[in-house]
Order: sequence, then C-alpha cells, then structure tokens
Amino acid sequence: ETGVTQTPRHLVMGMTNKKSLKCEQHLGHNAMYWYKQSAKKPLELMFVYSLEERVENNSVPSRFSPECPNSSHLFLHLHTLQPEDSALYLCASSQRPGTGFTDTQYFGPGTRLTVL
Amino acid sequence: DQQVKQNSPSLSVQEGRISILNCDYTNSMFDYFLWYKKYPAEGPTFLISISSIKDKNEDGRFTVFLNKSAKHLSLHIVPSQPGDSAVYFCAASAKKYGGSQGNLIFGKGTKLSVKP
Repeated sequence: ETGVTQTPRHLVMGMTNKKSLKCEQHLGHNAMYWYKQSAKKPLELMFVYSLEERVENNSVPSRFSPECPNSSHLFLHLHTLQPEDSALYLCASSQRPGTGFTDTQYFGPGTRLTVL
Repeated sequence: DQQVKQNSPSLSVQEGRISILNCDYTNSMFDYFLWYKKYPAEGPTFLISISSIKDKNEDGRFTVFLNKSAKHLSLHIVPSQPGDSAVYFCAASAKKYGGSQGNLIFGKGTKLSVKP
C-alpha cells in the first residue's frame, strides 16, 4: 500500500449506530488530519494531530471522536450522527518540519458517509 | 465569511487550449498557496504550490501566478488535455506564531471540463 488509505470507502448508518472510519498513511509523515466535504461547500478541517497529539479541534460536535494511536493511523469514531452529517470524510497527512511552517497535505480517497 | 474564493464553479475548455482557473483570498496573512486536483471518487491530489515570496511557479504544463497586491492567484494549464477534467481546489495557509502551524483553507472548487 502506498500513500494514504481510508476504509471503508462507503458507509451507510442509522442515527443510533456507532461506527468508525480508519485512515492509514504510508508516507512517514508526522501529522494527520480529518476533513469534511459537504456538497457545494469547501473542505472543512475537523481535527489535526501532530506527533499523535491533537493540536486543533475546529469546534466539531462531540458525536465525532478522533483517535490517533500512532503516527501512521487515525480513526474517526462516529456516534448518534444526524442526517446532515452525511458527507465525504477525507483524511490527509503531512510532514510538519517545525513551528511556523506550512506544509503540503496528501489526501486519502475518502469515505462517503450516509446517515439515514 | 469565506477567506478563499473560487468564483467560477465550472469552466469548459477545448483540448489544446489554455485553461485558466482563478482564486481570490481575503486574508493578507496567507503566505502559502496550493492547488489540488480531484477526480470523482478520489481524494484531492496535490498539484502545485507557491510561496508568497514568489509570483510564479511552473511545473510542466501547470503554472501558478500570484498577485499579492490583488490577493489573487491563478492556475494556468497549457495545453489542456481531456485527462485534466476534474475539480480544482485552491488552498491557502498562514504561518502561525507561538507554536501552532498554518492550516489549509480551501475554496469551493472549480470543475474543469476539457473537450476533445
């Protein structure tokens, strides 16, 4: 496997279900991200992990819970979602060389989530 | 309010001609800009970037121009090919001081169609 992979690629869940999205990066990067892409909206940053510590949480509802057990894996745990949470969820990774520097992010293919 | 704007949701170009995709931004602190390309059912793929210390960056058929005074950047593709048909996202970031690094702010995207 190369690059950034995400599973599952498609997910349909009811509002009372609990499910998890998985992301794995094979690029040796030290930062990972979750984004949400809704129809006709820009990509919205949800969470950022750098060196396995959460450094950003852009006011995401608590029904989304991220987990980063190591620098290669990132999970997004989903619980009691709403239909408006239906979207494409994208994972990305990058190498953060140090304070005050921006970087290029590499994306996975995404998980298309539908909440019924 | 959107900090990165792609005002054209779609663009249609004939094969062999030039494609020009535009992007405007409002935050004068942005100092790093990227273009991503996205095919259906795939994640965004990094295409080209430019730092604010430059006004042009070229990579093969792709050239990005930055006009800081106008807060405007553009992506030129020449010659355009049918395989270039995709959604193109503009993204920008600003260096943050005090330990946190710049996160990417995305535009809504422009769908490019290159006709044979």
